[in-house]
Amino acid sequence: ILNVEQSPQSLHVQEGDSTNFTCSFPSSNFYALHWYRWETAKSPEALFVMTLNGDEKKKGRISATLNTKEGYSYLYIKGSQPEDSATYLCAFTSAGGTSYGKLTFGQGTILTVHP
Amino acid sequence: DSGVTQTPKHLITATGQRVTLRCSPRSGDLSVYWYQQSLDQGLQFLIQYYNGEERAKGNILERFSAQQFPDLHSELNLSSLELGDSALYFCASSPGTSAVEQFFGPGTRLTVL
Repeated sequence: ILNVEQSPQSLHVQEGDSTNFTCSFPSSNFYALHWYRWETAKSPEALFVMTLNGDEKKKGRISATLNTKEGYSYLYIKGSQPEDSATYLCAFTSAGGTSYGKLTFGQGTILTVHP
Repeated sequence: DSGVTQTPKHLITATGQRVTLRCSPRSGDLSVYWYQQSLDQGLQFLIQYYNGEERAKGNILERFSAQQFPDLHSELNLSSLELGDSALYFCASSPGTSAVEQFFGPGTRLTVL
């Protein structure tokens, strides 16, 4: 059983604050780590897919880092805005097996940005 | 809009019944994935099809089955429904089978009474 853990479970910040969340995943048999953003009443939207140890990805004010040796990834949001309020999900893909598209999701971090 | 469509949007049915959820992937995508989001669980992978063939299976119940048709749309069949099957069912698609981003549809909310 693959365990993907995310922390914190929820986070409340003020507009303009920078914030970060953690995703922990098994360090053995690593293939890829995904971050998704899920707004209420919408469907999950891919932010990043990372496959290499040390990968850093950036999209606007959001960035992510990956450490496959120790099994963690950080998602950073700089200068949070109310529209960043959403659930942020990470998902892990393990190597081997018949499909590298099989994602194991964490429970998510619920971010609320207060104006 | 991800380009993935799912119908119906909402479905209310009774225990013991059978329902079919439908998904059309993005144009050009060959892989379709089904996920279940229950109240007390995160997104759970159910099954993947690639170009008409089953590619990977997750914790899909025996009462559930899926298929992908030649036009690449997919259907998820849920039978002998139980109250615990009430959930949001998402379909996602991607071009291939490797670890690229998956594009999620809007979901079908199933309520079993």
